[in-house]
Amino acid sequence: AQSVTQLDSHVSVSEGTPVLLRCNYSSSYSPSLFWYVQHPNKGLQLLLKYTSAATLVKGINGFEAEFKKSETSFHLTKPSAHMSDAAEYFCVVSRNTGGFKTIFGAGTRLFVKA
Amino acid sequence: KAGVTQTPRYLIKTRGQQVTLSCSPISGHRSVSWYQQTPGQGLQFLFEYFSETQRNKGNFPGRFSGRQFSNSRSEMNVSTLELGDSALYLCASSFWDRALYGYTFGSGTRLTVV
Repeated sequence: AQSVTQLDSHVSVSEGTPVLLRCNYSSSYSPSLFWYVQHPNKGLQLLLKYTSAATLVKGINGFEAEFKKSETSFHLTKPSAHMSDAAEYFCVVSRNTGGFKTIFGAGTRLFVKA
Repeated sequence: KAGVTQTPRYLIKTRGQQVTLSCSPISGHRSVSWYQQTPGQGLQFLFEYFSETQRNKGNFPGRFSGRQFSNSRSEMNVSTLELGDSALYLCASSFWDRALYGYTFGSGTRLTVV
């Protein structure tokens, strides 16, 4: 079975402070993991992906995520938040072994205070 | 290169009517997936088409259908609209292995059923 849990529905940070969005997953197979961002009234944009190469993955706009198999986590981080980072973020687990399957987390809304 | 194009962007329909939404994927992408996004249910998978064949299907009633053409463009149709069908419908295209490459999303079609 495959599942993904985003541990916070809302996260609020001040501009210039670090961002941490938490994601735990479970998968019977070696998963691929993704983070997407969605700004209001827009589609989702791929931020970064892990597909069994380096465990520390760098994405666009200064975001990065670390795949930790022992903790079944794939948390998204950014050293310094910008106002434009305010959006909803989705953690996604996907596989093509044993049948194609893509599962989206419920999303974490990030608020950035000036 | 052109992104994923969804038309129309906004649509208002009356209960009982039917609607057709269109999606043109990125050139070279042969997989097209459709998702329904609502505040209460989040992102829910409708179906995926690859090379004109439905490859995967979510748990939606038969009122929801889709198809893909030889140029990879896809349409989805909802018949006998219900108020609960009001949602943002997102189309996502990818190479054949979306577990490896991830999705590119369109901006969505906002459907309001009154």
